[in-house]
Amino acid sequence: SQQGEEDPQALSIQEGENATMNCSYKTSINNLQWYRQNSGRGLVHLILIRSNEREKHSGRLRVTLDTSKKSSSLLITASRAADTASYFCATDEQGGTSYGKLTFGQGTILTVHP
Amino acid sequence: DTEVTQTPKHLVMGMTNKKSLKCEQHMGHRAMYWYKQKAKKPPELMFVYSYEKLSINESVPSRFSPECPNSSLLNLHLHALQPEDSALYLCASSPRDPNSPLHFGNGTRLTVT
Repeated sequence: SQQGEEDPQALSIQEGENATMNCSYKTSINNLQWYRQNSGRGLVHLILIRSNEREKHSGRLRVTLDTSKKSSSLLITASRAADTASYFCATDEQGGTSYGKLTFGQGTILTVHP
Repeated sequence: DTEVTQTPKHLVMGMTNKKSLKCEQHMGHRAMYWYKQKAKKPPELMFVYSYEKLSINESVPSRFSPECPNSSLLNLHLHALQPEDSALYLCASSPRDPNSPLHFGNGTRLTVT
């Protein structure tokens, strides 16, 4: 089963609005990462938050992590048309027997209209 | 542009063909990965190499054969594939550090006819 589940599956907003995406997971984690993927391209790392962190910022991105609820959110402020992409959360399972095993959520497709 | 280079960008092959996908990075990363991504789905891990040794095989069918000739190169050899193997194949690398992100290439779009 998927470690990470995201909602919404799709989000459509106007330029300048904020976009919020949520991710839930099932097991204890070392960290949670967010990636962006433009259509047909590779994934680009956005931000990594460790299990002992609660909030992290990077430019227009804000990520929160609630380990008690096993959930995270990604907020993109003042969105731009160029932010149109798929966004994935990925978890690195704590105490896993295999190093480097990232599990990706189902993703949120964000469309920002000019 | 990414720092992980994958070739070819597109590949069409028949079910009896043998082909190889190539991946190269020069960031000194000692972990390299193959992921498979179907349309509108998340990437799924196939293989992980750590220090040029295979450390994870996610029960991938033997028609996919990975190879890591050196710390900069990763290959995926393909033989007798099925049409359902058509997908985007993504290579990634990372430092061997549990709190470092993955660096992805732009993938090879594979179509099996």
